[in-house]
Amino acid sequence: NAGVTQTPKFQVLKTGQSMTLQCAQDMNHNSMYWYRQDPGMGLRLIYYSASEGTTDKGEVPNGYNVSRLNKREFSLRLESAAPSQTSVYFCASSEDITQETQYFGPGTRLLVL
Amino acid sequence: KQEVTQIPAALSVPEGENLVLNCSFTDSAIYNLQWFRQDPGKGLTSLLLIQSSQREQTSGRLNASLDKSSGRSTLYIAASQPGDSATYLCAVRGILDSNYQLIWGAGTKLIIKP
Repeated sequence: NAGVTQTPKFQVLKTGQSMTLQCAQDMNHNSMYWYRQDPGMGLRLIYYSASEGTTDKGEVPNGYNVSRLNKREFSLRLESAAPSQTSVYFCASSEDITQETQYFGPGTRLLVL
Repeated sequence: KQEVTQIPAALSVPEGENLVLNCSFTDSAIYNLQWFRQDPGKGLTSLLLIQSSQREQTSGRLNASLDKSSGRSTLYIAASQPGDSATYLCAVRGILDSNYQLIWGAGTKLIIKP
């Protein structure tokens, strides 16, 4: 009963390096989301995908790109990492964009030096 | 722009006490408000969802209330247990916010002392 899985769990990058955060869900959900969580702040939406084949910007999309690879997988890419992108990243999914309940992955802790 | 605030940022109480966590929001035009629990190293789990037309929701020892006019919600935890230790976050879905986005509070870190 995996739910939402994320890889890696932890990553250290140097400024300017690139990486992709992976997310997969096995609940046949249509909608998927990427959030970041910083100390003392609420979660902020980076990008979301309402359905397979669509992606839209959230509150803080700058410096990120996403790919909805298929219905199960939604990846987040940092092309040139910056220290300001040090954060914990959460992926979530829901049945569709109107559904209230979102299911969250365990998070990826990213440190950019 | 909708803003969600949770005070206090941290709370420590002895086991067995009843306690209240607070959430306030600046714009009363909301579809609903949710309370989540976050355990260290894990993702978030939805606890309770209150629609804008509702006043409260209950699940076991948890009771969440909503007062839209004053922009406040409370999460009441009865007979607290050490297993309740976690960070509790509230999030609102605003009518005026685009694309069904949730606006989140920063959370209250709760520690229940045995």
